[in-house]
Amino acid sequence: QKEVEQNSGPLSVPEGAIASLNCTYSDRGSQSFFWYRQYSGKSPELIMSIYSNGDKEDGRFTAQLNKASQYVSLLIRDSQPSDSATYLCAVNSNAGGTSYGKLTFGQGTILTVHP
Amino acid sequence: DTGVSQDPRHKITKRGQNVTFRCDPISEHNRLYWYRQTLGQGPEFLTYFQNEAQLEKSRLLSDRFSAERPKGSFSTLEIQRTEQGDSAMYLCASSPSFTGYTFGSGTRLTVV
Repeated sequence: QKEVEQNSGPLSVPEGAIASLNCTYSDRGSQSFFWYRQYSGKSPELIMSIYSNGDKEDGRFTAQLNKASQYVSLLIRDSQPSDSATYLCAVNSNAGGTSYGKLTFGQGTILTVHP
Repeated sequence: DTGVSQDPRHKITKRGQNVTFRCDPISEHNRLYWYRQTLGQGPEFLTYFQNEAQLEKSRLLSDRFSAERPKGSFSTLEIQRTEQGDSAMYLCASSPSFTGYTFGSGTRLTVV
């Protein structure tokens, strides 16, 4: 089992729709969870962080965390063509008790928003 | 504050050659990370510095790889005797604490 697994893509949604991106992780000791957006040929850009169970909203983005189910998701409301990118889920695991902020990334989900 | 800076942006090298990449973190960020990303995959952790001390290294960092951060400022990542499997994007990130960090623009290495 991969440490961080994202729903297989690519995901295609029409402009204005809600895009739902999912991620599961294996380490129950994980403390911090992040979503990065990566445009083709560019480096990842941090868009959301979440640390406690529940929802966290920032503009059109909502991150959801359920530690009991080891599940984190990202919802993008009113999707725009400019949201087309690869979305990476990242988890700060604490395996061995010393993480130093190391992130384990999923393989990414490619999102395409079509007009 | 111009963000995390990496140099060069692109590097093409012949197999067997040595290469060195540089990362200039955001000033006063004491934490610095190196990751490697291959096509279609998420970034993979390579190593972590807190100030000048290298506190964690991934098993991905074979003996051909070495990283330094003299004086706790910029960092270098050297790959000796490059192999085609080393072709990837090498990403540097810095952070003042752990609340999620910012990546530099990366160095894309192509080994031919």
